[in-house]
Amino acid sequence: EVQLVESGGGLVQPGGSLKLSCAASGFTLSGSAVHWVRQASGKGLEWIGRIRIKSNNYATSYIESVKGRFTISRDDSKNMAFLQMNSLKTEDTAVYYCRAGFDPWGQGTLVTVSS
Amino acid sequence: SYELTQPPSVSVSPGQTARITCSGDTLPKKYAYWYQQKSGQAPVVVIYEDNKRPSGIPERFSGSSSGTMATLTISGAHVEDEGDYYCYSTDISGNYGKFGGGTKLTVL
Repeated sequence: EVQLVESGGGLVQPGGSLKLSCAASGFTLSGSAVHWVRQASGKGLEWIGRIRIKSNNYATSYIESVKGRFTISRDDSKNMAFLQMNSLKTEDTAVYYCRAGFDPWGQGTLVTVSS
Repeated sequence: SYELTQPPSVSVSPGQTARITCSGDTLPKKYAYWYQQKSGQAPVVVIYEDNKRPSGIPERFSGSSSGTMATLTISGAHVEDEGDYYCYSTDISGNYGKFGGGTKLTVL
């Protein structure tokens, strides 16, 4: 079964850090760009960034509001991707999804930034 | 900044045709994707590359794109088609993704 599973979410204080993982099974993640998308409670989907494949030099792009704070990486040998989040703000509170290409998506992991 | 515009809501009766539009300046050059999201669940792609339907998606779902507008059509909507629908595309460089604001489809 083709599947993505996120992990690493939780409660963190403002200014703190968290690293999310995205593990693929049933397919080889190395052939797909990996995107991260978040959704605040009751709100729409927000694309926050992506990392391309090796042949595209693992190029990354981010939306302005997370640039310099969030870093997307991947480990193709482990069939995984990651989202390192630093200097977290209360407005980063959301369910975070990873997505391979345009599909599949993971089930999401909740990140809550609160004191 | 690049924007994709969707109507906030669409309502149809069961068996009617639902059309959800997505407007964006780069849609003449970039593909549109459509995602269905039901409450508490991850999004699922129902149309990719403007008009392609993934396996497992019912034939009543179709997509089209003309000029700056992409359209998701559900021909003969079922009650189980209710949910939020998001269009997705990229900016002209292809480096930045963007979702539309989402359309809540009600079938009753």
